[in-house]
Amino acid sequence: QVQLQESGPGLVKPSQTLSLTCTVSGGSISSGGYYWSWIRQHPGKGLEWIGYIYYSGSTYYNPSLKSRVTISVDTSKNQFSLKLSSVTAADTAVYYCAREYFSCTNGVCSLYNWFDPWGQGTLVTVSS
Amino acid sequence: DIQMTQSPSSLSASVGDRVTITCRASQSISSYLNWYQQKPGKAPKLLIYAASSLQSGVPSRFSGSGSGTDFTLTISSLQPEDFATYYCQQSYSTPRAFGQGTKLEIK
Repeated sequence: QVQLQESGPGLVKPSQTLSLTCTVSGGSISSGGYYWSWIRQHPGKGLEWIGYIYYSGSTYYNPSLKSRVTISVDTSKNQFSLKLSSVTAADTAVYYCAREYFSCTNGVCSLYNWFDPWGQGTLVTVSS
Repeated sequence: DIQMTQSPSSLSASVGDRVTITCRASQSISSYLNWYQQKPGKAPKLLIYAASSLQSGVPSRFSGSGSGTDFTLTISSLQPEDFATYYCQQSYSTPRAFGQGTKLEIK
């Protein structure tokens, strides 16, 4: 079955750029029918959706983070990545990658989407 | 943006109890609502999608209902492994939004 694994530095300095990669195994990121998403969870808090990318490169970002977020995809490596610029302590969180299922028929896409599976998550701390 | 509000924020219950968690959307989302379970130090796990469809492999004691703005997750008979935090999530629109979570604790 498909598995996702986050990787990247666990410590980032304030004002720098946070960079994470999600490696997909057990399936192709180019298979279609899925958005590849980033979600974060501040310590002891709830879940915040950051954005997603389709294998074609189309993206959608949470407006609350849009000015600082870039999500990209490398289909040759079966990976997608997150960059978050100008980080502060408020960006300290566990970052998850996840696959969002969706389906389209005759060009009309259902809104019955869900996140499954998720990566195990990686804690990124912003500190000098 | 759609806001998701869960109640209660925390809940104490005993093994064997029937438990209901509520999720309310700030506007109608039809049945575009999912439920996840998260255990400490682990990623969330999909339980219910499309408001009432049970994800493969999830025990049948879990069920979901509702449409429009009000939804419920019910656990018919709590098992020790069910003590966790539960989140609802809407897929009606972007940005995707989660509820703040309901922590289910052992009484």
